[in-house]
Amino acid sequence: DAGVIQSPRHEVTEMGQEVTLRCKPISGHDYLFWYRQTMMRGLELLIYFNNNVPIDDSGMPEDRFSAKMPNASFSTLKIQPSEPRDSAVYFCASREGLALHTQYFGPGTRLTVL
Amino acid sequence: EDQVTQSPEALRLQEGESSSLNCSYTVSGLRGLFWYRQDPGKGPEFLFTLYSAGEEKEKERLKATLTKKESFLHITAPKPEDSATYLCAVQGDQTGANNLFFGTGTRLTVIP
Repeated sequence: DAGVIQSPRHEVTEMGQEVTLRCKPISGHDYLFWYRQTMMRGLELLIYFNNNVPIDDSGMPEDRFSAKMPNASFSTLKIQPSEPRDSAVYFCASREGLALHTQYFGPGTRLTVL
Repeated sequence: EDQVTQSPEALRLQEGESSSLNCSYTVSGLRGLFWYRQDPGKGPEFLFTLYSAGEEKEKERLKATLTKKESFLHITAPKPEDSATYLCAVQGDQTGANNLFFGTGTRLTVIP
């Protein structure tokens, strides 16, 4: 298996633009997570899905952020409009079942908002 | 509120120079403490889970220990390939069944 796939790996955009980050989880995994990593706050959970259904979005910072999972093999995280403080590395992770230690992270998308 | 503090922020060691990384935590009802390794440009990779005070786990040159207030990641005779950021995370009663609360990590550099 290729692992969790994220695209793009790097994104540079200007304030106010819409940004869409993409994730393909590991086949067969029923949980999908979106995290954000910054130097100041570390790794923070934004939202997670179970069987394509959003379960907990309490970590989504504002209404500017939205996430979807239209099927078991694809998810998106959208920021509209983007702001400089959204600059961070965004990770997608997937997992089979409830064992937290079996959570596999993607390589991340480094987002820079100018 | 759950808190995880890792120290030091950065650590430089000579190859073969053993040391320890610290993870202090405050959590309501600890369910598990997790250690991850993160290489530059990559996502975190799972190393260990510890569930109760007194528990220890080992993998190659790494050994993780847990007390009621902190965890240590001991690195014995490190090699340059051990250079990475090491993340500590906790899961407690309030973080939810599927959430981990992460620290900001210790960036380890091992010099040949």
